Parts: sequence; C-alpha cells; structure tokens
Amino acid sequence: EVQLVESGGGLVQPGRSLRLSCAASGFTFDDYAMHWVRQAPGKGLEWVSGISWNSGSIGYADSVKGRFTISRDNAKNSLYLQMNSLRAEDTALYYCAKGGAGAKWAAFDIWGQGTMVTVSS
Amino acid sequence: SSELTQDPAVSVALGQTVRITCQGDSLRSYYASWYQQKPGQAPVLVIYGKNNRPSGIPDRFSGSSSGNTASLTITGAQAEDEADYYCNSRDSSGNHLNVVFGGGTKLTVL
Repeated sequence: EVQLVESGGGLVQPGRSLRLSCAASGFTFDDYAMHWVRQAPGKGLEWVSGISWNSGSIGYADSVKGRFTISRDNAKNSLYLQMNSLRAEDTALYYCAKGGAGAKWAAFDIWGQGTMVTVSS
Repeated sequence: SSELTQDPAVSVALGQTVRITCQGDSLRSYYASWYQQKPGQAPVLVIYGKNNRPSGIPDRFSGSSSGNTASLTITGAQAEDEADYYCNSRDSSGNHLNVVFGGGTKLTVL
C-alpha cells in the first residue's frame, strides 16, 4: 500500500524548533520529488517546501525561507522538515506529499494524513 | 511570487455540470493540478497536466486551460463531489521550483 506517515508535530513555544518526519512506503521513494504543504485551521492549502529526488533542487515559500530546512534520506525512505524560529502563524496541519519530476513537480498524487504543529506560549 | 485566484464558493444542482476556475500568470507557463478536499481528510489529486486523471478518479472530472485560466469541470455532479477544491501550479516568477496554491473553492451540490 502506498503510504506517507507524518510525525513530530506538537505544541511548541514561539522561537523554538521542531523537526517533522515523513515515512514513505509502497513506492520507490528515491524516484520522486517530495513536498511539505500546510493548512492553518479553517484555511486553505499553502505550499511550504519541495525537494527533488536527489536533493539537488530545493524550493521554499517566502514565508519560511531562512527558518525551515527540508531534507530527505533515501536510504530510510524518509522526508524531513527542520523548523526553527517558529511563529504563531506557523500553526497548521503539516502534510507530506509526493510529487514528480519536470511537469509533474507540482502534481501531488499521494498525501499523508498530516501532523499538527501548534506554536503558542 | 505568483498568485492563483479562485472563486470562494460555487454551487451546482445534482446531476448538472459545474466549472471551477483558477486564474494566475503562472498558468500561462504551467498546467494546473486540481485537488479535492473533504472535511477532516487530506487532499486528493483529481486532475493534473493537460487533462489527466489519476487512477480511481471518475471520468466526470476533467480539466482545461486557456491563457491565464485553468478550469475543472464536473459533468453530472454527484452529492459526494461536495468538497473544497484547490488548484496549484509551479511558480513562474522567481524560483520556478516554488509552488503556489489557489485559495480554494467550496462546492455545494444542491
């Protein structure tokens, strides 16, 4: 079964750090780009970051650039998001999503169920 | 970065056809993808590329594009199609690895 399972969310104080993980199974992980997408409570989807199959191409939303770092470990079929200097506006459900190469970079065909991050004092 | 604009809400009578649109400069360079999200669930990809449906998506869903506008058409809407729909595409300004989402359209099936 093709599956993405996120973990690492929780309640964190403003200014602190958190690391999210996404475990992939059921497909050849190192063939595909991967992304993080978030959704604040009651709001729409916001792309956060994406990484190519070999980590050679990486992009970040302006809202997180310089604070968040995406990475992957193909040997462990895992995707990560290191989140530093967290702000209240980073509070959201964070989804891991599978993308593709080239024209399919932004076609997210598999999504996890998300992990909730709450930034509050 | 680019922006994608969607109508906040659209309604359709059961069995009728509805078109949901997405506008933005990036759509002149890149195709949109479309996602369906029901309450409490993760989004599901319904259309990508020129007009491609992933396995398991009913053929009543179709996509098209013209100029800076992409459209998702549901022909013969069903009650289970009531959901939020989002478009996205690659960003054509700045870093082309970036991705932009539309604000979403809430579809009500009457």
